[in-house]
Amino acid sequence: EIVLTQSPGTLSLSPGERATLSCRASQSVSSSYLAWYQQRPGQAPRLLIYGASSRATGIPDRFSGSGSGTDFTLIISRLEPEDSAVYYCQQYGGSPLWTFGQGTKVEIK
Amino acid sequence: QVQVQQWGAGLLKPSETLSLTCGVYGGSFSGYYWSWIRQPPGKGLEWIGEIHLSGDTTYNPSLKSRVTMSVDTSKNQFSLKLSSVTAADTAVYYCVRNVDYGGSGFAFDVWGQGTMVTVSS
Repeated sequence: EIVLTQSPGTLSLSPGERATLSCRASQSVSSSYLAWYQQRPGQAPRLLIYGASSRATGIPDRFSGSGSGTDFTLIISRLEPEDSAVYYCQQYGGSPLWTFGQGTKVEIK
Repeated sequence: QVQVQQWGAGLLKPSETLSLTCGVYGGSFSGYYWSWIRQPPGKGLEWIGEIHLSGDTTYNPSLKSRVTMSVDTSKNQFSLKLSSVTAADTAVYYCVRNVDYGGSGFAFDVWGQGTMVTVSS
Protein backbone atom coordinates (compact mmCIF):
# COMPACT_ATOMS: atom_id res chain seq x y z
CA GLU A 1 0.00 0.00 0.00
CA ILE A 2 1.23 3.48 -0.87
CA VAL A 3 0.90 5.63 2.24
CA LEU A 4 0.59 9.38 1.85
CA THR A 5 1.73 11.52 4.77
CA GLN A 6 0.70 15.15 4.82
CA SER A 7 2.30 17.93 6.79
CA PRO A 8 1.77 20.03 8.72
CA GLY A 9 -1.35 18.79 10.43
CA THR A 10 -2.66 22.31 10.86
CA LEU A 11 -1.61 25.59 9.29
CA SER A 12 -2.79 28.87 10.79
CA LEU A 13 -2.18 31.89 8.57
CA SER A 14 -3.55 35.34 7.85
CA PRO A 15 -5.38 36.46 4.71
CA GLY A 16 -2.95 37.31 1.92
CA GLU A 17 -0.26 34.97 3.23
CA ARG A 18 1.12 31.99 1.37
CA ALA A 19 0.33 28.44 2.45
CA THR A 20 2.63 25.54 1.63
CA LEU A 21 1.24 22.03 2.11
CA SER A 22 3.32 18.90 1.78
CA CYS A 23 2.39 15.37 0.74
CA ARG A 24 5.01 12.64 0.97
CA ALA A 25 4.49 9.15 -0.46
CA SER A 26 5.94 5.97 0.99
CA GLN A 27 7.04 4.97 -2.52
CA SER A 28 7.33 6.72 -5.83
CA VAL A 29 4.07 7.93 -7.38
CA SER A 30 3.63 8.88 -11.01
CA SER A 31 2.99 12.60 -11.22
CA SER A 32 -0.04 11.84 -13.37
CA TYR A 33 -1.60 10.03 -10.48
CA LEU A 34 -1.36 12.67 -7.73
CA ALA A 35 -4.30 14.95 -6.99
CA TRP A 36 -5.33 17.48 -4.35
CA TYR A 37 -8.78 18.17 -2.90
CA GLN A 38 -10.29 20.88 -0.73
CA GLN A 39 -12.99 20.04 1.80
CA ARG A 40 -14.79 22.88 3.49
CA PRO A 41 -16.74 22.14 6.68
CA GLY A 42 -19.94 20.25 5.98
CA GLN A 43 -19.21 19.89 2.27
CA ALA A 44 -18.02 17.18 -0.05
CA PRO A 45 -14.42 17.39 -1.22
CA ARG A 46 -13.68 19.41 -4.35
CA LEU A 47 -11.00 18.58 -6.87
CA LEU A 48 -8.31 21.28 -7.03
CA ILE A 49 -5.31 19.77 -8.78
CA TYR A 50 -4.79 16.65 -10.91
CA GLY A 51 -1.65 15.28 -12.48
CA ALA A 52 0.30 16.93 -9.64
CA SER A 53 0.17 20.39 -11.25
CA SER A 54 -2.91 20.88 -13.44
CA ARG A 55 -5.74 22.96 -12.03
CA ALA A 56 -9.22 21.52 -12.31
CA THR A 57 -11.96 23.49 -14.03
CA GLY A 58 -12.86 26.70 -12.22
CA ILE A 59 -10.00 26.58 -9.73
CA PRO A 60 -8.34 29.99 -9.27
CA ASP A 61 -4.67 30.38 -10.14
CA ARG A 62 -3.88 31.07 -6.48
CA PHE A 63 -3.73 27.29 -6.20
CA SER A 64 -0.72 25.54 -7.66
CA GLY A 65 0.72 22.06 -7.36
CA SER A 66 4.16 20.68 -7.97
CA GLY A 67 6.40 17.75 -7.21
CA SER A 68 7.45 14.33 -8.40
CA GLY A 69 8.48 10.94 -7.11
CA THR A 70 7.66 10.92 -3.41
CA ASP A 71 7.37 14.64 -2.62
CA PHE A 72 4.49 16.82 -3.71
CA THR A 73 3.42 20.32 -2.72
CA LEU A 74 0.25 22.39 -2.87
CA ILE A 75 0.70 26.13 -2.63
CA ILE A 76 -2.04 28.67 -1.99
CA SER A 77 -0.34 31.89 -2.94
CA ARG A 78 -2.64 34.51 -1.39
CA LEU A 79 -4.96 33.12 1.23
CA GLU A 80 -8.56 34.23 1.31
CA PRO A 81 -11.08 33.55 4.08
CA GLU A 82 -12.89 30.96 1.95
CA ASP A 83 -9.70 28.89 1.77
CA SER A 84 -10.31 27.73 5.32
CA ALA A 85 -10.66 23.99 4.81
CA VAL A 86 -8.99 20.60 5.03
CA TYR A 87 -6.80 19.70 2.07
CA TYR A 88 -6.16 16.11 1.00
CA CYS A 89 -3.69 14.64 -1.41
CA GLN A 90 -4.61 11.43 -3.21
CA GLN A 91 -2.78 8.93 -5.36
CA TYR A 92 -3.89 6.35 -7.90
CA GLY A 93 -2.18 3.03 -8.38
CA GLY A 94 -1.09 0.15 -6.24
CA SER A 95 -3.34 -1.63 -3.78
CA PRO A 96 -5.71 -0.23 -2.77
CA LEU A 97 -6.11 1.49 -6.10
CA TRP A 98 -6.76 4.94 -4.58
CA THR A 99 -5.44 6.26 -1.26
CA PHE A 100 -5.63 9.61 0.47
CA GLY A 101 -3.39 11.45 2.87
CA GLN A 102 -4.72 12.20 6.32
CA GLY A 103 -5.28 15.86 5.48
CA THR A 104 -3.92 19.29 6.38
CA LYS A 105 -6.24 21.78 8.03
CA VAL A 106 -5.78 25.39 6.94
CA GLU A 107 -7.10 27.96 9.35
CA ILE A 108 -7.41 31.62 8.42
CA LYS A 109 -6.74 33.96 11.34
CA GLN B 1 -23.25 19.67 -16.16
CA VAL B 2 -23.33 16.20 -14.71
CA GLN B 3 -24.68 15.79 -11.21
CA VAL B 4 -24.89 12.79 -8.96
CA GLN B 5 -27.54 12.29 -6.33
CA GLN B 6 -27.41 9.54 -3.76
CA TRP B 7 -29.87 7.95 -1.40
CA GLY B 8 -30.23 5.09 1.06
CA ALA B 9 -30.88 4.15 4.66
CA GLY B 10 -29.10 6.32 7.20
CA LEU B 11 -29.50 4.22 10.34
CA LEU B 12 -28.54 0.58 10.60
CA LYS B 13 -28.10 -1.98 13.33
CA PRO B 14 -24.92 -4.03 13.67
CA SER B 15 -24.81 -7.02 11.29
CA GLU B 16 -27.23 -5.40 8.82
CA THR B 17 -26.40 -4.56 5.21
CA LEU B 18 -25.76 -1.00 4.12
CA SER B 19 -27.36 -0.17 0.81
CA LEU B 20 -26.86 3.06 -1.14
CA THR B 21 -27.69 4.09 -4.69
CA CYS B 22 -26.33 6.92 -6.79
CA GLY B 23 -28.09 8.42 -9.81
CA VAL B 24 -26.22 10.25 -12.56
CA TYR B 25 -28.01 13.15 -14.24
CA GLY B 26 -27.25 15.62 -16.97
CA GLY B 27 -24.20 13.97 -18.42
CA SER B 28 -22.61 10.83 -19.69
CA PHE B 29 -22.78 7.70 -17.56
CA SER B 30 -20.80 5.55 -19.93
CA GLY B 31 -17.09 5.87 -20.38
CA TYR B 32 -16.41 6.48 -16.72
CA TYR B 33 -15.65 4.49 -13.64
CA TRP B 34 -17.74 5.40 -10.60
CA SER B 35 -16.54 5.07 -7.03
CA TRP B 36 -17.76 5.04 -3.47
CA ILE B 37 -15.71 6.84 -0.83
CA ARG B 38 -16.43 7.14 2.88
CA GLN B 39 -15.41 9.45 5.67
CA PRO B 40 -15.90 8.59 9.36
CA PRO B 41 -16.87 11.56 11.53
CA GLY B 42 -13.89 13.85 12.01
CA LYS B 43 -11.58 11.59 10.00
CA GLY B 44 -10.12 11.28 6.54
CA LEU B 45 -11.27 9.76 3.27
CA GLU B 46 -11.28 6.06 2.42
CA TRP B 47 -11.90 4.68 -1.06
CA ILE B 48 -14.27 1.71 -0.99
CA GLY B 49 -14.32 0.61 -4.60
CA GLU B 50 -15.16 1.45 -8.20
CA ILE B 51 -17.39 0.12 -10.96
CA HIS B 52 -17.73 0.61 -14.71
CA LEU B 53 -20.95 0.28 -16.65
CA SER B 54 -19.54 -2.92 -18.07
CA GLY B 55 -19.72 -4.30 -14.55
CA ASP B 56 -15.96 -4.30 -14.05
CA THR B 57 -15.21 -3.68 -10.37
CA THR B 58 -12.22 -3.11 -8.14
CA TYR B 59 -12.59 -3.04 -4.38
CA ASN B 60 -10.43 -1.90 -1.50
CA PRO B 61 -8.85 -5.10 -0.15
CA SER B 62 -9.67 -4.04 3.39
CA LEU B 63 -13.41 -4.16 2.60
CA LYS B 64 -13.52 -6.58 -0.31
CA SER B 65 -15.11 -9.46 1.58
CA ARG B 66 -18.12 -7.34 2.50
CA VAL B 67 -18.59 -5.07 -0.53
CA THR B 68 -20.73 -5.55 -3.60
CA MET B 69 -21.18 -2.89 -6.26
CA SER B 70 -23.63 -3.06 -9.12
CA VAL B 71 -24.77 -0.88 -12.00
CA ASP B 72 -28.11 -0.31 -13.72
CA THR B 73 -27.36 1.21 -17.10
CA SER B 74 -31.04 1.60 -17.97
CA LYS B 75 -31.42 4.05 -15.09
CA ASN B 76 -27.91 5.55 -15.04
CA GLN B 77 -27.52 4.34 -11.48
CA PHE B 78 -24.94 2.45 -9.49
CA SER B 79 -25.20 0.95 -6.05
CA LEU B 80 -23.18 -0.09 -3.03
CA LYS B 81 -23.89 -2.87 -0.58
CA LEU B 82 -21.76 -3.39 2.51
CA SER B 83 -22.65 -6.40 4.59
CA SER B 84 -22.26 -7.17 8.29
CA VAL B 85 -21.84 -3.54 9.30
CA THR B 86 -20.43 -2.51 12.66
CA ALA B 87 -19.98 0.82 14.40
CA ALA B 88 -16.68 1.18 12.54
CA ASP B 89 -18.68 1.57 9.32
CA THR B 90 -20.35 4.74 10.61
CA ALA B 91 -19.39 7.41 8.11
CA VAL B 92 -20.51 9.81 5.41
CA TYR B 93 -20.60 7.86 2.16
CA TYR B 94 -19.98 9.65 -1.14
CA CYS B 95 -20.55 8.51 -4.70
CA VAL B 96 -18.06 10.06 -7.08
CA ARG B 97 -17.01 10.04 -10.71
CA ASN B 98 -13.54 8.89 -11.68
CA VAL B 99 -12.08 10.99 -14.46
CA ASP B 100 -9.20 10.07 -16.75
CA TYR B 101 -7.55 13.16 -18.17
CA GLY B 102 -6.11 11.18 -21.04
CA GLY B 103 -2.70 10.53 -19.62
CA SER B 104 -2.54 13.82 -17.73
CA GLY B 105 -4.01 12.39 -14.60
CA PHE B 106 -6.69 10.48 -12.75
CA ALA B 107 -8.93 12.02 -10.11
CA PHE B 108 -12.42 12.25 -8.67
CA ASP B 109 -14.12 15.24 -10.26
CA VAL B 110 -17.82 14.96 -9.42
CA TRP B 111 -19.03 14.21 -5.90
CA GLY B 112 -22.44 13.41 -4.51
CA GLN B 113 -23.79 15.29 -1.54
CA GLY B 114 -22.91 12.52 0.87
CA THR B 115 -25.10 10.24 2.97
CA MET B 116 -24.49 9.91 6.69
CA VAL B 117 -24.82 6.28 7.70
CA THR B 118 -24.89 5.49 11.39
CA VAL B 119 -24.55 1.97 12.75
CA SER B 120 -25.93 1.66 16.24
CA SER B 121 -27.83 -0.88 18.25
